[in-house]
Amino acid sequence: EVKLVESGGGLVQPGRSLKLSCAASGFSFNDYWMGWVRQAPGKGLEWIGEINQDSSTINYTPSLKDKFTISRDNAQNTLYLQMSKLGSEDTAIYYCAREGVLQYFDYWGQGVMVTVSS
Amino acid sequence: DIQMTQSPASLSASLGETVTIECRASEDIYNGLAWYQQKPGKSPQLLIYNANSLHTGVPSRFSGSGSGTQYSLKINSLQSEDVASYFCQQYYDYPFTFGSGTKLEIK
Repeated sequence: EVKLVESGGGLVQPGRSLKLSCAASGFSFNDYWMGWVRQAPGKGLEWIGEINQDSSTINYTPSLKDKFTISRDNAQNTLYLQMSKLGSEDTAIYYCAREGVLQYFDYWGQGVMVTVSS
Repeated sequence: DIQMTQSPASLSASLGETVTIECRASEDIYNGLAWYQQKPGKSPQLLIYNANSLHTGVPSRFSGSGSGTQYSLKINSLQSEDVASYFCQQYYDYPFTFGSGTKLEIK
């Protein structure tokens, strides 16, 4: 069974940084592209970015490219999202997801809440 | 960026009815389109990929169609468990983008 479990969320002050993790199991992690999506409270989905199997290709949505960094550790079956210079607009549920044969997301984690507030 | 215009924003239908949700892309996305279902308080789940391919385990009452810039998701014989928000996503060109969602309720 494919399982993705995010962690590392919580309350963070504006301007600070936070690193999210996503532990993967039930599939061969190093065979898949992985990605991050966020959802502000009561809003729609926003694609953050994706990373390929060996981390040689990472794509971001342009508005977040200078703030967020996606990485992975295939030995630990873990995906990461490093977020910096956080603002209230970054308050959201953050989902990690596995990409299918093409770049749709075929499995999603349960999500982790990040609240940016003083 | 490719804009995805989804309609309607909300929809109320009776059990057993057929409903259709539309997604229009601002340019041709060559069937690079997925549909997701998000039940209240849960994470999104893939329903359809490549515009018309049913994801593993998804009931056959869900179907996708379309081409070019116009795509649709059809739900036949609406069930109570179909109450959810539905989102389209294009993955033809970066940055990938989602529609704004359709909230489906039962009358």
